Amino acid sequence: NAGVTQTPKFQVLKTGQSMTLQCAQDMNHEYMSWYRQDPGMGLRLIHYSVGAGITDQGEVPNGYNVSRSTTEDFPLRLLSAAPSQTSVYFCASSYSDWGQGNTEAFFGQGTRLTVV
Amino acid sequence: KNQVEQSPQSLIILEGKNCTLQCNYTVSPFSNLRWYKQDTGRGPVSLTIMTFSENTKSNGRYTATLDADTKQSSLHITASQLSDSASYICVVTTDYGGSQGNLIFGKGTKLSVKP
Repeated sequence: NAGVTQTPKFQVLKTGQSMTLQCAQDMNHEYMSWYRQDPGMGLRLIHYSVGAGITDQGEVPNGYNVSRSTTEDFPLRLLSAAPSQTSVYFCASSYSDWGQGNTEAFFGQGTRLTVV
Repeated sequence: KNQVEQSPQSLIILEGKNCTLQCNYTVSPFSNLRWYKQDTGRGPVSLTIMTFSENTKSNGRYTATLDADTKQSSLHITASQLSDSASYICVVTTDYGGSQGNLIFGKGTKLSVKP
């Protein structure tokens, strides 16, 4: 049982380049989310999905796109990378909304992205 | 404004000692509160989840308390080990409704356990 798998672990991009951060989970979770973590700040929600074919914006969605064609996968696309997108990105999944009772949420290992 | 404040920002203790981390929140309505441990270079891992009706929950040497009246939570670590060195993140959920946008993350407390 791999849990939540993110690839790549590290990436350096030039300003203006595009790329896709991959996230896959094998727990049949409906809810998946992308967060970014910056020094001195709490995790911030970029986009989330409550099931295949359904996505919505979080707190900081600008510059990012997502899609959810399968339950397992939730890729995050950077359309035109900017230095402000230098961050550590985490994908998380859960079987239901985090707010429901004792719903457990699982995080991937993170992708450290540097935009130069 | 919904906020989660953690203190201290960082903490250094000697191996074997106990410590307590604080989390104060101004989140309403409240659904649940979580503590996560994040090792350097890794993703957060859940330690405890507490709903409104729970005021104490333990996970091995970790014990979380919740006072919903004063909107405070603490994470107590007993007999610390070198492997406890990590950041500890408090997360409060305002309510549920499928949006996933109702999660308020604290900035974390960085704990260093020295031999």
